[in-house]
Amino acid sequence: QSVLTQPPSVSGAPGQRVTISCTGSSSNIGAGYDVHWHQQLPGTAPKLLIYGNSNRPSGVPDRFSGSKSGTSASLAITGLQAEDEADYYCQSYDSGLSGVVFGGGTKLTVL
Amino acid sequence: EVQLLESGGGLVQPGGSLRLSCAASGFTFSTYAMSWVRQAPGKGLEWVSSISGSGGTTYYADSVKGRFTISRDNSKNTLYLQMNSLRAEDTAVYYCAKGQTGSGWLVKWFDPWGQGTLVTVSS
Repeated sequence: QSVLTQPPSVSGAPGQRVTISCTGSSSNIGAGYDVHWHQQLPGTAPKLLIYGNSNRPSGVPDRFSGSKSGTSASLAITGLQAEDEADYYCQSYDSGLSGVVFGGGTKLTVL
Repeated sequence: EVQLLESGGGLVQPGGSLRLSCAASGFTFSTYAMSWVRQAPGKGLEWVSSISGSGGTTYYADSVKGRFTISRDNSKNTLYLQMNSLRAEDTAVYYCAKGQTGSGWLVKWFDPWGQGTLVTVSS
């Protein structure tokens, strides 16, 4: 069981908007620690997608956006494209564990 | 361009040891925290360990504490993970990842990630 909870899968048609939730607790997201998102395309290493809750690294399309509220965070992807099909992971810090925590990952399927 | 290249993975028997290396280039290595993250076959990401830029501060996941040791040689721009008393559940692809600088580095993001090295623990 991951400390951060994500839905195992989400799906959407090309051009649609999907959101992926990441739910934590008072010792991680709710304590004010930032949430970061990573994208893992099939057979490749993870890649940073969003950092500091809502910031995009250079080169990441503005179709990807992040937000955080209370004990949860969300990743939104608009204008879905076939190449967005991947696993998405949220990352934060947990003060109770004194370490980095990841969500269990969400598999995005583009229909 | 920042590059991270892991090596040292392979097949090891339960109870055995292995040392992973991560050669870094393209940035001032000694300035940045570094981490190891693993991914068991078909599973999600699991943080393993992190080390400060100077090497003076280290953190470990409970699942590896007392068995794994993270270290770095800033003169060689290389990160290490010494893994002892290996178990079947340690089987995974091990990624090294570049962290950030400054205070509170442990709560910050990983970017970029290496391509990973596979460790298989089996008799």
